[in-house]
This record gives sequence, C-alpha cells and structure tokens, in this order.
Amino acid sequence: AQTVTQSQPEMSVQEAETVTLSCTYDTSESDYYLFWYKQPPSRQMILVIRQEAYKQQNATENRFSVNFQKAAKSFSLKISDSQLGDAAMYFCAYGVYLNLNNAGNMLTFGGGTRLMVKP
Amino acid sequence: DAGVIQSPRHEVTEMGQEVTLRCKPISGHNSLFWYRQTMMRGLELLIYFNNNVPIDDSGMPEDRFSAKMPNASFSTLKIQPSEPRDSAVYFCASSSGPWGGYTFGSGTRLTVV
Repeated sequence: AQTVTQSQPEMSVQEAETVTLSCTYDTSESDYYLFWYKQPPSRQMILVIRQEAYKQQNATENRFSVNFQKAAKSFSLKISDSQLGDAAMYFCAYGVYLNLNNAGNMLTFGGGTRLMVKP
Repeated sequence: DAGVIQSPRHEVTEMGQEVTLRCKPISGHNSLFWYRQTMMRGLELLIYFNNNVPIDDSGMPEDRFSAKMPNASFSTLKIQPSEPRDSAVYFCASSSGPWGGYTFGSGTRLTVV
C-alpha cells in the first residue's frame, strides 16, 4: 500500500520569506501523480500544484514550486515570498491511475503540515 | 461551473439519529469520493464510485455507514444510527480523469451529541 509522510506537523515563516514543506512517499509504481493541497481555516481543499512522475521538470505555479526527486521518493513544496494568506494546512497527496473506464486518480494523503505566517 | 456542492454545511444531531449528507459532483466527472477528516486520523477515504458504481468501500468504518450514487449528479452518505465518534468533517470530491486531482466540496461538519 502506498503511504505519504509529511514529517513536519508545523512550520512557520516570516512574511515575504521562503519556506519549504517536505513530503515523502512510498510506492512500487513507476507512473503516478503527486499533488499539494491547501486547506485554509475555511476548510476548503484547494489544489495548489501537481506533478506527473514521468516529467523530470519540476512544476511551478506562481510563487509555488516543487522539488521532485523520483529516486528518493521526495516531493517538497517551496513557497516563495510568503503571504499572510498562505497560512493554512498543506497536504501532500499521491495518486495512481485507476484503469477503470477512464476513472480519476485514487489519492492517498499525508497527515498535513500546518503553516503559520508571521507578519 | 459551481464546483462540487455539499449539503448541509453544518449538521448537529443527537446520538442515535439518522444523518444524511449530500453531494453533487461536477458535471462530467465520473469518479466520486467520500472522505472523513478528523484531528486524530486526518483524511480517510470512506468509499469511492466510478460511473455511479461503488468500487471500494473498505474505508467505511462499519455497517452504520452507507453510501449511494443513484445517478451521475448525486450521491449520499448516510449514518444510521449516529454516534458521537462520528463527529468529523465529511468531504465529497470528484475527479475528471487519470491526470487530474480532486475537486473537493466545502465539506459537512457533523457534530453528534
């Protein structure tokens, strides 16, 4: 079974600084997908960024980027120029392709990292 | 698109009562997932459907929990009878294809007293 581990229960960062959240996963699959979700106090789960395992290039979305190390099974999230609105729980998720009539991914989530942003 | 719609947003009920949570997935998404989130256990997958058919319900905690998806635009999660340990946030999510992540609903916060 796949597992996703987020070893940092809490992190804090000064506004405008950069922070990196770590995530490791365990799988025997070669083709899979990785995601970072943000859950602010409103509890809405918001997709931040995703990475396809067959792509070597790290994904980037504005201030958010990932460092994907396939051999090490590591998928960290870097937030640059941190803003107060970045304060939230962040969940790393691993997904495999469900070969069932073009079904979606089955996602396994890590335990989450609470990010606090200091003004 | 209005996104994944869940109702109610909050539910408070007494122990022993039946609770029904509702979800409308995004049109065209053919996979639907029910998750439960608690502080102790994090996000747990309860059950998922593909093309309205339940594929894996191994995460359903016990027989008090049941889920249905009578058509592509509606799903329910029912707890009968409810217990205080069922108190949690229940999320519904839908997915459009193998490369996509999930789109989550806003969740239902259930409190059983």
